[in-house]
Amino acid sequence: DAGVTQSPTHLIKTRGQQVTLRCSPKSGHDTVSWYQQALGQGPQFIFQYYEEEERQRGNFPDRFSGHQFPNYSSELNVNALLLGDSALYLCASSFGVALGTDTQYFGPGTRLTVL
Amino acid sequence: AQTVTQSQPEMSVQEAETVTLSCTYDTSESDYYLFWYKQPPSRQMILVIRQEAYKQQNATENRFSVNFQKAAKSFSLKISDSQLGDAAMYFCAYQGDDKIIFGKGTRLHILP
Repeated sequence: DAGVTQSPTHLIKTRGQQVTLRCSPKSGHDTVSWYQQALGQGPQFIFQYYEEEERQRGNFPDRFSGHQFPNYSSELNVNALLLGDSALYLCASSFGVALGTDTQYFGPGTRLTVL
Repeated sequence: AQTVTQSQPEMSVQEAETVTLSCTYDTSESDYYLFWYKQPPSRQMILVIRQEAYKQQNATENRFSVNFQKAAKSFSLKISDSQLGDAAMYFCAYQGDDKIIFGKGTRLHILP
């Protein structure tokens, strides 16, 4: 049973560019959440997708957007990259939309470096 | 706004001993969930233990247990019989109606 997978593992971009990160949820899960983890910090919630719609959102600007596909996989898009967007981006999957009612399983993350 | 505070940036414990990691939170919600996650150097976040706020009984998972004090808004993690594999960053997290908030983490070192 495959767990949560993310691609790519590492990514280097320059300021102003756009980036797309991908996540495949654990088998049987239908909800995907994205987090940003800056170096030395705890993860910060970006948003959650369920039934192909954004259901919850943290305090992130509109430059951060996402998408969920019919197979429950998800993408995180970041436009107009800033140096401060350099971080580990974590994807977590769970079953059901209500936060907290099901255990989230995390992927290994994508390390984004913005130069 | 909800906050989660982990006051111990780093801790060390001798192998086979017991260690307690502290976490306090602030919220006006009455129904919520609390978690401890472990993040080893491999970066993959692993759920250690989960507590529903409406349950008075403290959660336990093998060598891991919590001391949940709802009135004091405290949620500490006790690791018994510490093992070398327990070395990692530990994050306390609060999950309410519309958000999940993580603390800044405690780095736990296990001394052989």
